[in-house]
Amino acid sequence: QKEVEQNSGPLSVPEGAIASLNCTYSDRGSQSFFWYRQYSGKSPELIMSIYSNGDKEDGRFTAQLNKASQYVSLLIRDSQPSDSATYLCAVYSSASKIIFGSGTRLSIRP
Amino acid sequence: GAVVSQHPSRVICKSGTSVKIECRSLDFQATTMFWYRQFPKQSLMLMATSNEGSKATYEQGVEKDKFLINHASLTLSTLTVTSAHPEDSSFYICSASSAGESGYTFGSGTRLTVV
Repeated sequence: QKEVEQNSGPLSVPEGAIASLNCTYSDRGSQSFFWYRQYSGKSPELIMSIYSNGDKEDGRFTAQLNKASQYVSLLIRDSQPSDSATYLCAVYSSASKIIFGSGTRLSIRP
Repeated sequence: GAVVSQHPSRVICKSGTSVKIECRSLDFQATTMFWYRQFPKQSLMLMATSNEGSKATYEQGVEKDKFLINHASLTLSTLTVTSAHPEDSSFYICSASSAGESGYTFGSGTRLTVV
């Protein structure tokens, strides 16, 4: 089992709709969770971090964490073509390093 | 916010030569920096963890004699790809954090092409 798992996609969402990205992790001792966005040919950019169960909202982005289910998600409201990118889920593990998922490719169609 | 500077952004070198990539934390001290490699359409692969003042920790399958890492100060880590071959062509990215549990900041990456 991979330590951080994501569906590779591509996930295609119409412009203006909600994009939902999911991630599961195996280390139950993990405490910090992150979502990064990576455009093709560029390095990843941190867009959201979440540390406690529940929802965290920042503009059009909402991160959701459920530690009991070992599940993290990212919702993007009012999706824009500029949101088309690969989204990486990352977990700060009990081994004191960040483990990345393989990423989900998101495509927003006009 | 935390800024990580990486140079060069692109480099083309001949097979058999060595290439050095620099990673600097500009506004914070980083006792630990990380080096990743990413092939086209694939995820980030952690190569090694660079620790200031001590030897780097390499991930399984990464040749430490080929990918030399030096972390001589709290703001600078370097990765040297020695005797580069075409299969080493990839996107190399460094990252650092002032506090690991707060997330990492990535450098802008270095596109290495070995011809």
